[in-house]
Amino acid sequence: QQQVKQSPQSLIVQKGGISIINCAYENTAFDYFPWYQQFPGKGPALLIAIRPDVSEKKEGRFTISFNKSAKQFSLHIMDSQPGDSATYFCAASSVSLSSGSARQLTFGSGTQLTVLP
Amino acid sequence: GAVVSQHPSRVICKSGTSVKIECRSLDFQATTMFWYRQFPKKSLMLMATSNEGSKATYEQGVEKDKFLINHASLTLSTLTVTSAHPEDSSFYICSAKGGHSRGGYTFGSGTRLTVV
Repeated sequence: QQQVKQSPQSLIVQKGGISIINCAYENTAFDYFPWYQQFPGKGPALLIAIRPDVSEKKEGRFTISFNKSAKQFSLHIMDSQPGDSATYFCAASSVSLSSGSARQLTFGSGTQLTVLP
Repeated sequence: GAVVSQHPSRVICKSGTSVKIECRSLDFQATTMFWYRQFPKKSLMLMATSNEGSKATYEQGVEKDKFLINHASLTLSTLTVTSAHPEDSSFYICSAKGGHSRGGYTFGSGTRLTVV
């Protein structure tokens, strides 16, 4: 499988702080980069996603920064809240790397975020 | 929005028995479903991709005779863990492509399988 490297493995921030999670990829065929949020015992839920034709995308308190030349992308959570405490996964996909027309997602290793009250 | 219902959420079975996990798309037709396995505090590992009416495509290292996937209709895919062993204990998650969910993929809520 194509790899997506994610760091840090765990992150603790104070309420109101900024949480930053980083991911790096190698395969330039990837053209879709989503971030997922997963609570214990639940399936992942899409948080925000970006395509490589833009360098930044913001939705509410969540921002993706994308550096195509460095093959890196990051998730910034502004004004972090205790309810944001969860595991976050970056992912990448490309139709050309998938079977048929359905994109296969390659997930990063995950970051366990804890936001202290 | 798109909803994927996965059942059961938890199951405990004895070694040597088989367990079936169901994944249903409730309000859309899922032409493709993905099955993932997740170990505690680890990432999701794709096991197989199934397209309605055809055989599933398994990832390298996944035993197709052990993890039977059936996608007989556009709204239902099943994963059967045959002759389960304790090392099969894991969190299994399905994902369906289709509907109007953000990003085009909707994940089930997962199944915690414990083999004793």
